[in-house]
Amino acid sequence: KAGVTQTPRYLIKTRGQQVTLSCSPISGHRSVSWYQQTPGQGLQFLFEYFSETQRNKGNFPGRFSGRQFSNSRSEMNVSTLELGDSALYLCASSLLQFTDTQYFGPGTRLTVL
Amino acid sequence: AQTVTQSQPEMSVQEAETVTLSCTYDTSESDYYLFWYKQPPSRQMILVIRQEAYKQQNATENRFSVNFQKAAKSFSLKISDSQLGDAAMYFCAYRNSNTGNQFYFGTGTSLTVIP
Repeated sequence: KAGVTQTPRYLIKTRGQQVTLSCSPISGHRSVSWYQQTPGQGLQFLFEYFSETQRNKGNFPGRFSGRQFSNSRSEMNVSTLELGDSALYLCASSLLQFTDTQYFGPGTRLTVL
Repeated sequence: AQTVTQSQPEMSVQEAETVTLSCTYDTSESDYYLFWYKQPPSRQMILVIRQEAYKQQNATENRFSVNFQKAAKSFSLKISDSQLGDAAMYFCAYRNSNTGNQFYFGTGTSLTVIP
């Protein structure tokens, strides 16, 4: 089975722009979660989607949004980029329940100039 | 609030030796899972081992084992016969039934393996 894939792997944007990141979960997985990883704040939960519905959301401003499609693929969008949004964005997928193991993708490195 | 603490920012171990990474957590929940993930320089987070809180037996996966002390809220990872490929950042993570698939991560321990 193919693992979790994320595109693009690297992205450079300037302040004020918006960006869309994509995540394709492992085949059959219905839950997709997103995390932001920075040296200062570590790994922080952004949101989780399950069956096209946002099931849980972390403490991030409304500039961060996401969605999930019927094939379980997910996108996250960051509008009006700020320098502090520079981070590694990780996506993780799991089958269904919280008892299931989450598998992470390789991440998208976003740099905001 | 759920918090996960890793008090060792950096650790080193000689190749073939054993090393233990520490993790403590704080929760009032009874139904939860604990995990150790490894993140090598390639950045991909890889599951090392997981422990269900309701299981008293410590989880093991080949050279990796945990010491789960539920009352003390401690969850340490022991790596035996360390190999060069074990060099990575190790994250302890917690998840409970009320927060679904949301992980709470520790700040990580950077492990260096000395040949």
